Amino acid sequence: DAGVIQSPRHEVTEMGQEVTLRCKPISGHDYLFWYRQTMMRGLELLIYFNNNVPIDDSGMPEDRFSAKMPNASFSTLKIQPSEPRDSAVYFCASSVAGKYNEQFFGPGTRLTVL
Amino acid sequence: GENVEQHPSTLSVQEGDSAVIKCTYSDSASNYFPWYKQELGKGPQLIIDIRSNVGEKKDQRIAVTLNKTAKHFSLHITETQPEDSAVYFCAASTGYGGSQGNLIFGKGTKLSVKP
Repeated sequence: DAGVIQSPRHEVTEMGQEVTLRCKPISGHDYLFWYRQTMMRGLELLIYFNNNVPIDDSGMPEDRFSAKMPNASFSTLKIQPSEPRDSAVYFCASSVAGKYNEQFFGPGTRLTVL
Repeated sequence: GENVEQHPSTLSVQEGDSAVIKCTYSDSASNYFPWYKQELGKGPQLIIDIRSNVGEKKDQRIAVTLNKTAKHFSLHITETQPEDSAVYFCAASTGYGGSQGNLIFGKGTKLSVKP
């Protein structure tokens, strides 16, 4: 298995621009998680899905952030408009029912907002 | 909610020595405690985990201990090697199996193993 796939690996954008991060979970996994990692706050859960349905989005920082999972093999995290404080590494992770907390992480997307 | 504290933030050891990383948690309902290793430029990778009904678990050179009364758990790496150099994260969760309980991560420990 290829593991969790994320794209792009690096994204540099200017403040105010829309940013879309993409994730393909491991085939057969029915949970998908989006995390943000910064030096100050560590790893924070933003939102997670179960069977393509958003279950808990309480970690999404504000309305500028949105996430979708149109099917079992694809999810997006969108930031519109982006701000410099959104600069971070964003990880996608997936897991399988019955082993909900044994999460497999993707390589991450390093976002820089200038 | 759950809060996980991790110490130390950095740890430097000589190759062959042992390394110990400690975490404490606040929610007595937490029942699942994984450890993740993150190498430079990569995502965290699960290396070992322990459930609340177990006090200790070993896997080759790594071991994890759990003290539920004191609400702390530790990662032990013996005979450290340069390839053990990475950032290690502990986490705690109130859910396991099919139940829901988000992973709450510690801030991480940067381990450096000097040859």
